[in-house]
Amino acid sequence: GENVEQHPSTLSVQEGDSAVIKCTYSDSASNYFPWYKQELGKRPQLIIDIRSNVGEKKDQRIAVTLNKTAKHFSLHITETQPEDSAVYFCAARSPFGNEKLTFGTGTRLTIIP
Amino acid sequence: NAGVMQNPRHLVRRRGQEARLRCSPMKGHSHVYWYRQLPEEGLKFMVYLQKENIIDESGMPKERFSAEFPKEGPSILRIQQVVRGDSAAYFCASSPNGVPYSNQPQHFGDGTRLSIL
Repeated sequence: GENVEQHPSTLSVQEGDSAVIKCTYSDSASNYFPWYKQELGKRPQLIIDIRSNVGEKKDQRIAVTLNKTAKHFSLHITETQPEDSAVYFCAARSPFGNEKLTFGTGTRLTIIP
Repeated sequence: NAGVMQNPRHLVRRRGQEARLRCSPMKGHSHVYWYRQLPEEGLKFMVYLQKENIIDESGMPKERFSAEFPKEGPSILRIQQVVRGDSAAYFCASSPNGVPYSNQPQHFGDGTRLSIL
């Protein structure tokens, strides 16, 4: 089955700087890669996703890049703000996996004011 | 347009009791997924259901756990004879109707935090 690894597990950046979180996946058939943000005690919220037919997607301060050859994808947050502090999860889904998402172990991002 | 609704938000049970967790998908969604999140860990897939059908239960423990999604009413995750290790947050997600493998996004509910005394 699919296996997703996520790094780093914790990340602290100064407000205004950029943050990058990286994930690798094992199943080359995976074709959908969402990113979720989870604040303490709350639901995971979908913030951006990318499908395997594109290499990059951007939404305001958030961007995701995908390298299918290397089987890794990354989340980039620019001009970070205190409200970006949360745990971020990457996930991957194979078309042969009955739609289930395989999640990374999460990155706790702290924005230092 | 209500999101995925889960109840209860918090559930306390003593060892040996039964826990029932409910999930109502977003309007128009007929695919439901249950995930478990242990403290300080990621989400682990448990089961995928469509109306009246279990599609994939590969992540469900073989004993004490069951799930259903009846024609009418919410999806239910049932844990019998709970043990301390069942303490976790249980999240439900739903996605729209559509062709299988259509890569529809999954939207999560607020979760049920289950505590076993």
